Amino acid sequence: QLQLQESGPGLVKPSETLSLTCTVSGGSISSSISSNTNYWDWIRQTPGKGLEWIGSTDSGGRTDYKPSLKSRATISVDTSKSQFSLKLKSLTAADTAVYYCAHGWSDGMDVWGQGTAVIVSS
Amino acid sequence: QSVLTQPPSASGTPGQRVTISCSGNTSNIGNNYVYWYQQLPGTAPKLLMYKIDRRPSGVPDRFSGSKSGTSASLAISGLRSEDEADYYCAVWDDRLTTWVFGGGTKLTVL
Repeated sequence: QLQLQESGPGLVKPSETLSLTCTVSGGSISSSISSNTNYWDWIRQTPGKGLEWIGSTDSGGRTDYKPSLKSRATISVDTSKSQFSLKLKSLTAADTAVYYCAHGWSDGMDVWGQGTAVIVSS
Repeated sequence: QSVLTQPPSASGTPGQRVTISCSGNTSNIGNNYVYWYQQLPGTAPKLLMYKIDRRPSGVPDRFSGSKSGTSASLAISGLRSEDEADYYCAVWDDRLTTWVFGGGTKLTVL
């Protein structure tokens, strides 16, 4: 059974870069379901803005981002480690959120990590 | 303010049927599949419905989805206390080129 686990710092200073990693277990980050492409997503949740999709990658490293975050976000994949990562630069307090990684495909984001809380504060 | 509009709250008594709406436009709901997620307190969202009206394995048939034009709905029949959660709709937006989520509906079982 596919499982995802986020890891990273819980506290980051303003203007710095957030680095999060999602480790995939119970399945291959490179495999596909039938003929559908697998996507590895990052989503965040804040009390004020609710759920917000940040972007995704596939196992080949092709990425897609929410346009308003594209200039600050970088998502990458390391198939040898069964991990994918998010870097978000130039942090402000507005980036304080719970960050989730998830597996997505045509039938939805069907597996989510438990989430990791990130606070941006000096 | 979310691109998709959901009522902030809904409620019902055990055994009742409740419906949660999700309103969008032609660039999202009107042209794409709708997905629903359930978030129990303190946990990550869980996929509840995909491609409008399909249930993932393990989701009871008390849950059903529908879509008409630029709006979608999630119905829960035979309401149970364990259904108390936040519910979010989600859809790809062709104009914004991003996944968009509704603001969420907090369901209370009275």
